[in-house]
Amino acid sequence: DVKVTQSSRYLVKRTGEKVFLECVQDMDHENMFWYRQDPGLGLRLIYFSYDVKMKEKGDIPEGYSVSREKKERFSLILESASTNQTSMYLCAIGLGTANKNIQYFGAGTRLSVL
Amino acid sequence: GEDVEQSLFLSVREGDSSVINCTYTDSSSTYLYWYKQEPGAGLQLLTYIFSNMDMKQDQRLTVLLNKKDKHLSLRIADTQTGDSAIYFCAEIEGNTGRRALTFGSGTRLQVQP
Repeated sequence: DVKVTQSSRYLVKRTGEKVFLECVQDMDHENMFWYRQDPGLGLRLIYFSYDVKMKEKGDIPEGYSVSREKKERFSLILESASTNQTSMYLCAIGLGTANKNIQYFGAGTRLSVL
Repeated sequence: GEDVEQSLFLSVREGDSSVINCTYTDSSSTYLYWYKQEPGAGLQLLTYIFSNMDMKQDQRLTVLLNKKDKHLSLRIADTQTGDSAIYFCAEIEGNTGRRALTFGSGTRLQVQP
């Protein structure tokens, strides 16, 4: 079974704080993704990574950065949290190729920024 | 960018069939997916279909793909209260090489006893 672990289920932070969301996989998969989920908007891609130290911007990268120092861990960083970053954050790993990529998701982190 | 659209809400009675519809715009999509999200949980892959197939059946689930109309549907036979969830349609961006999925906004299925 593919296992994707997000370190926190719920987080409450204050405006301006630096926030780290962690995602860990238990296999040697290369592709990892961060999405945010908002009601009525579905999932939107923030950043993704194909390998260690590699990162690519998704559709909504503004206000976020990522880190992938080890293959099994992909971190999403909010440099200075703002209230409009209150959302559900979902990490996924992708198995396959550019044309067929099965994605498996973690349980999500619900972040509230006050 | 490419777009995936779904209706937001569907209500059915237990034992009936549910049909959730999805339309997409990317003609280069190679695979299309259905995910299920239960309250407070992440997304669970239900099934997927290759773009050169018309239909795929997996127990109570039937996926129909009309590639000409870019229309995808998920039929759940004998719907149970445990099927109540949000269902997301997604497609892989065929020409970008990003390996990322484009998701619809999700259809909330409510199953009434």
